[in-house]
Amino acid sequence: AQTVTQSQPEMSVQEAETVTLSCTYDTSENNYYLFWYKQPPSRQMILVIRQEAYKQQNATENRFSVNFQKAAKSFSLKISDSQLGDTAMYFCAFMKYNNNDMRFGAGTRLTVKP
Amino acid sequence: SQTIHQWPATLVQPVGSPLSLECTVEGTSNPNLYWYRQAAGRGLQLLFYSVGIGQISSEVPQNLSASRPQDRQFILSSKKLLLSDSGFYLCAWSVRRQGMREKLFFGSGTQLSVL
Repeated sequence: AQTVTQSQPEMSVQEAETVTLSCTYDTSENNYYLFWYKQPPSRQMILVIRQEAYKQQNATENRFSVNFQKAAKSFSLKISDSQLGDTAMYFCAFMKYNNNDMRFGAGTRLTVKP
Repeated sequence: SQTIHQWPATLVQPVGSPLSLECTVEGTSNPNLYWYRQAAGRGLQLLFYSVGIGQISSEVPQNLSASRPQDRQFILSSKKLLLSDSGFYLCAWSVRRQGMREKLFFGSGTQLSVL
């Protein structure tokens, strides 16, 4: 079974600074997807960024980028120029290619301080 | 555009009472549908997923069940709620089509408190 581990229960960062959230996963699959989801206080789950395992290039979405290390099974999220609105729970998730379920880590609570 | 509706938003139920949470998706056909549960301060646990009408896969044996009576309707049920069933329940859907990005779209969630 696939497992997703987020080793940082809580993190904080000053506004405008950069922060990196860690995620590791365990799988024997070669083709899969990785995701970062954001859950603000409203509790709505919002997709932040997505990475296909077959792509070597790291995904980026504006201020959000990932460092995908397939051999190390690591998928960290970097948030640049942190904003107060980035305060949320962040979940790392894994989905096997051509499969139907997504597995989530326990989450990292990020607080952006003014 | 696609939308997902989940209700009710909050629910308080006594132990031993039945449960029915409903989720519907609009604007797409033949979606994959999911029920997740999020315990307080914790991650998401996959409970059920469905790839078609009447097709339900259960990830965690428990007193909950799911049904998919229509293509875009997914129902989470229980005959007798337990205290441990309290949590935040999220419905989600995904579509897999050539050229489409795979991802989950989530509903707004139901906060269930079993007292």
